[in-house]
Amino acid sequence: DAGITQSPRHKVTETGTPVTLRCHQTENHRYMYWYRQDPGHGLRLIHYSYGVKDTDKGEVSDGYSVSRSKTEDFLLTLESATSSQTSVYFCAIRERAGELFFGEGSRLTVL
Amino acid sequence: GENVEQHPSTLSVQEGDSAVIKCTYSDSASNYFPWYKQELGKRPQLIIDIRSNVGEKKDQRIAVTLNKTAKHFSLHITETQPEDSAVYFCAAGETGANNLFFGTGTRLTVIP
Repeated sequence: DAGITQSPRHKVTETGTPVTLRCHQTENHRYMYWYRQDPGHGLRLIHYSYGVKDTDKGEVSDGYSVSRSKTEDFLLTLESATSSQTSVYFCAIRERAGELFFGEGSRLTVL
Repeated sequence: GENVEQHPSTLSVQEGDSAVIKCTYSDSASNYFPWYKQELGKRPQLIIDIRSNVGEKKDQRIAVTLNKTAKHFSLHITETQPEDSAVYFCAAGETGANNLFFGTGTRLTVIP
């Protein structure tokens, strides 16, 4: 499982509330990613990190922010959750040859 | 950016038959093409990948082919088994780049 854990695994929240999802890795990977998965869209990149305090936007970054203060933790924050952010969120790490390995996913429901 | 299209969206085969899933990509700079299998409620898992310096790669019952000229690549599963039932995703990107672009998935059902 590439040593990736996500928390929480399930969350239900209300529109307008802040939400933070955590990705933790134990193998000192430099690159970490947050994807969202929605029916009919596959997996889409939200944000990624290429080192401590080094992050950049992906293709669907609006409404999301990230932080990486330690190599092992990559946080995804929804400042004010909306119903369109109901999704399954996957964290991933990248191996040196480019392979992506995903965490178990976090299912978020925004009511 | 890259655009990956995947077909078919659903595929049903009899156990023991072969299954083929096809993807096309748009960016000629893409040189890395992985395939992921996702069982219901689970994470996507890398099952095979191919890089642009080869045209075909096999791993037991799974093979992937790549046609760089036509910008398409395919996943072939032979002698399908019920445990092959899952959603399969193709992806394309550049080695060392910071994004993989995914297809929309194919739900494969293997009928016993």
